[in-house]
Amino acid sequence: GDSVTQMEGPVTLSEEAFLTINCTYTATGYPSLFWYVQYPGEGLQLLLKATKADDKGSNKGFEATYRKETTSFHLEKGSVQVSDSAVYFCALTGVGGGFKTIFGAGTRLFVKA
Amino acid sequence: SAVISQKPSRDICQRGTSLTIQCQVDSQVTMMFWYRQQPGQSLTLIATANQGSEATYESGFVIDKFPISRPNLTFSTLTVSNMSPEDSSIYLCSLRQEGIDTQYFGPGTRLTVL
Repeated sequence: GDSVTQMEGPVTLSEEAFLTINCTYTATGYPSLFWYVQYPGEGLQLLLKATKADDKGSNKGFEATYRKETTSFHLEKGSVQVSDSAVYFCALTGVGGGFKTIFGAGTRLFVKA
Repeated sequence: SAVISQKPSRDICQRGTSLTIQCQVDSQVTMMFWYRQQPGQSLTLIATANQGSEATYESGFVIDKFPISRPNLTFSTLTVSNMSPEDSSIYLCSLRQEGIDTQYFGPGTRLTVL
């Protein structure tokens, strides 16, 4: 079945370090891909999205490129801040013309000052 | 995007009682969903709340335990019935506009069952 696999956390980085959180997916058809972020004590917020192969989503310094050949959508940021500490969820939707969104397990990021 | 609010934001409840969570949206939406997020876990879809008809439940969730109402296109409720400590989770309302592939989430209701 369709699924999303993220790298396990927690990921601990120092401020200004480079961030990569890996995400790969399995799906039939051509899904849209998303990264959501959940700050402590809050709900999920859409961080960025990409709807077709080679699209790059970007927001708040974060980027992810839809790679169909490797079925990946890795999240990157060049210089993280303490305020980026949160849980990041990779997700896909639109599989097979359906409407369900499938979420990865989430990756917790801690950024130290 | 639509603004989603949930009430209550958190609650502490006794075993065996029930809690109803409200989700209000500031615009009409076609699809509304209810998710559960257990501590340290990802999101699990409970059901799709259909306006004017019964909700569609995912495997492992039943109407008797999680009755859902959707009286109009801007409002839905989820009731967690006969609660046990295993029901302690964050419950999230979500919506998706027709023709748009992005889901948006409410702030969540943090439920603790003692």
